[in-house]
Formats: sequence, structure tokens, C-alpha cells
Amino acid sequence: NAGVTQTPKFQVLKTGQSMTLQCAQDMNHEYMSWYRQDPGMGLRLIHYSVGAGITDQGEVPNGYNVSRSTTEDFPLRLLSAAPSQTSVYFCASRTGGTGELFFGEGSRLTVL
Amino acid sequence: GQQVMQIPQYQHVQEGEDFTTYCNSSTTLSNIQWYKQRPGGHPVFLIQLVKSGEVKKQKRLTFQFGEAKKNSSLHITATQTTDVGTYFCAGGRAAGNKLTFGGGTRVLVKP
Repeated sequence: NAGVTQTPKFQVLKTGQSMTLQCAQDMNHEYMSWYRQDPGMGLRLIHYSVGAGITDQGEVPNGYNVSRSTTEDFPLRLLSAAPSQTSVYFCASRTGGTGELFFGEGSRLTVL
Repeated sequence: GQQVMQIPQYQHVQEGEDFTTYCNSSTTLSNIQWYKQRPGGHPVFLIQLVKSGEVKKQKRLTFQFGEAKKNSSLHITATQTTDVGTYFCAGGRAAGNKLTFGGGTRVLVKP
């Protein structure tokens, strides 16, 4: 099983550029989420989705958009990248309710 | 909003020694999860606790959920070099689907 797949693994952007981080899972999980990880700050929730067509904001949603058109995919869009968005981004999924989160391998983004 | 704090931020341990990392929430939790992230890797689920006062063991790891469901601890006995990594706790609330992570305890093992 592939589990949770994130692309790209590494990306360098210039301030003001836009891009999309892709996330796909093949476990038929209802819940999908995006976290960013910065040194000493743990993992902070950006956006999450409890099913196709349903998304909601996490702790740090500003500057990011998401959509959930299928159960499998949950892309994260940066419309106008800023240096403050330099981080490692993790996509994670789980079945409905509470339970184990399955993380992707991460996408390291640098904004110059 | 809900805050989850972990102490210590760093833990230097001699191989073979024991240590404990602590997790404290500003609000009552419905469940708490623990994850381990190896250097350069992604977080991997270790365990979930849901009951007040619950204690669970996984080989050399002992996890505890406080009676008030606002704190938790992870105790590792006879630390090995394979225990190197960052340990995160994550608290869930009864209402909503958000899991709030603590800042993590980075464990370094001296052989």
C-alpha cells in the first residue's frame, strides 16, 4: 500500500509565486489534514477535511486554500507565497472520528 | 484556543538510562495520542489513550493519561540509540476534529 503520498518533496519559490502541494491517500480515509512543522513549534494544523466537499480551518489557515473534490485527494494551495511560509508540510489522514493519523513523508518548501 | 505544552524540549540521555517526557493541555481532552518522528522522517503513531488514569505499555515505553485528562507522560526505560527522535503528544477534544500537537521532546542518546 502506498498510504499517504505527497508531492513534491522539495520546492523553492520566490515571494509572490503560487503553487500547489499535492496529497493523495489510498486507504479510503474520510479525514484528511495539512500540518506545517517549524522548529520548536511542533505541528500546527492548517486545514482539514472530514469528507469530499467539506473543508474547515485549523490553527494557521491564512495564506492557504484547500479543496476536497474526491475522497483520495486533498491539495494545499499557496496563492502568493511569503517567506513566513517556509516550512515542512505534512499531509495526514485517518478514518472518521478519532484514531491514528497516517502521515505522508513531507514536503519541504523554501520561499525566498 | 487549546494549547498543548511538552517538557522538556530537549532530552540528552545516556544509553541505558530512563527518562520521562511530559505533556500538559490547557483544556480537558477526550483522548491523547503520541507520535515519534525520526530525524528527517515523518511522525509515526505510537499509541492513543482515552480513559482517565489509563496506563499502557509498549515494550520499554510506558504511557499514562492523567486523572483529569489534561496531562500525559511517556516514560522510556533503558534507553537505546534506536529511541533517538522527537516525541510528540497530540490532544483531541470531544467536540470537533482537530488534533493539537505539543512542541515535541527531542531525544538525543549518548552511547
